[in-house]
Amino acid sequence: KQEVTQIPAALSVPEGENLVLNCSFTDSAIYNLQWFRQDPGKGLTSLLLIQSSQREQTSGRLNASLDKSSGRSTLYIAASQPGDSATYLCAVYAYSGAGSYQLTFGKGTKLSVIP
Amino acid sequence: DTEVTQTPKHLVMGMTNKKSLKCEQHMGHRAMYWYKQKAKKPPELMFVYSYEKLSINESVPSRFSPECPNSSLLNLHLHALQPEDSALYLCASSQVGARLAGVTDTQYFGPGTRLTVL
Repeated sequence: KQEVTQIPAALSVPEGENLVLNCSFTDSAIYNLQWFRQDPGKGLTSLLLIQSSQREQTSGRLNASLDKSSGRSTLYIAASQPGDSATYLCAVYAYSGAGSYQLTFGKGTKLSVIP
Repeated sequence: DTEVTQTPKHLVMGMTNKKSLKCEQHMGHRAMYWYKQKAKKPPELMFVYSYEKLSINESVPSRFSPECPNSSLLNLHLHALQPEDSALYLCASSQVGARLAGVTDTQYFGPGTRLTVL
């Protein structure tokens, strides 16, 4: 069974700092990996999707990397801003048995950017 | 339009009530999902509909009853819920769904319905 782990569980940084969030998964047979952002009590916003054949994706100040063979992904946030404060979830899309495919989520990293 | 809408935003119900959650998308997606998310936990998959047919039911109690009347609409009917069912219920949709391997299938999530069972 696929398991996704995110470290750290919480992170507090001063504004302007660059930071890295980590995600690891136990089964490397994935089709893609997504990073989501979730504000308190709200739905999920997809930030970046990396296909299994790709090594990284970039969007603005965000860069996500994927090392499928080692079961790891990182989300790099440059020049952090208070508006980046949220919980960041990593999820992998993989075969889950019985002809079906599912997203499996990590527990998230709660990021606080201090002005 | 990359929006998934959910109504209502908030719902408070007693254990004997019957209520429904609604989810809608107009992106032409053929797969729709219900997730349950408890506080400080990741979303947990409940149901998947692919081409209007239920393809995954993650051993969800029968007091939750999904319905997919058409490719744009997904309902979750609630009856005789328990206080521990209080959670954020998220709907998502994707282009092709769970049965096609090797397809990059981004899921788009709605804002969720905050359910409180008294």
